[in-house]
Amino acid sequence: DTAVSQTPKYLVTQMGNDKSIKCEQNLGHDTMYWYKQDSKKFLKIMFSYNNKELIINETVPNRFSPKSPDKAHLNLHINSLELGDSAVYFCASSQEGAGVADTQYFGPGTRLTVL
Amino acid sequence: DAKTTQPNSMESNEEEPVHLPCNHSTISGTDYIHWYRQLPSQGPEYVIHGLTSNVNNRMASLAIAEDRKSSTLILHRATLRDAAVYYCILRDRGYGGSQGNLIFGKGTKLSVKP
Repeated sequence: DTAVSQTPKYLVTQMGNDKSIKCEQNLGHDTMYWYKQDSKKFLKIMFSYNNKELIINETVPNRFSPKSPDKAHLNLHINSLELGDSAVYFCASSQEGAGVADTQYFGPGTRLTVL
Repeated sequence: DAKTTQPNSMESNEEEPVHLPCNHSTISGTDYIHWYRQLPSQGPEYVIHGLTSNVNNRMASLAIAEDRKSSTLILHRATLRDAAVYYCILRDRGYGGSQGNLIFGKGTKLSVKP
């Protein structure tokens, strides 16, 4: 069973569109994350979220919004897509409170291409 | 954020040991040293972590300098499947909120030759 899954794996869309990427984890974790990996392969945190708080990296445009229908899901909505949003997006999860040793488990990534 | 410095790339032969270095001269007393790796076209995966003592697990060993200003990830017998980018990351023990986030650097791209 896949621990952290993302859909779709590939997403090609036009500039200006609104799109969503879904993430689901079956590990029972209570904290989920979104990361962006750009063309230069830098991985950067975008959001971390649990049932207590949403922490946003201040460099993330407000066109990006995470939405969590329940503890096992954290979807990423992107409005008015721009060329610079093209990247691979990774979802991850961990169990908060397990201490600093809490491992983050990553999904396989969604490659977003904005034309 | 506490920073780490790693070589951009390293090469190894299959079935030989690999030592991946990481410098973290500004490490604080509450920082743990974590290693993750990212295989081609996959998400990062946890490898190992430690605080002061050397650590072993089924994937690798972590050797931490006595002053904690550097560490070395050791793969005892590299396989072709170990070709990946390896990231050394400092993580605050007293984490909460954004402190729990992983801050990835450039990492070391390890190539393994048959």
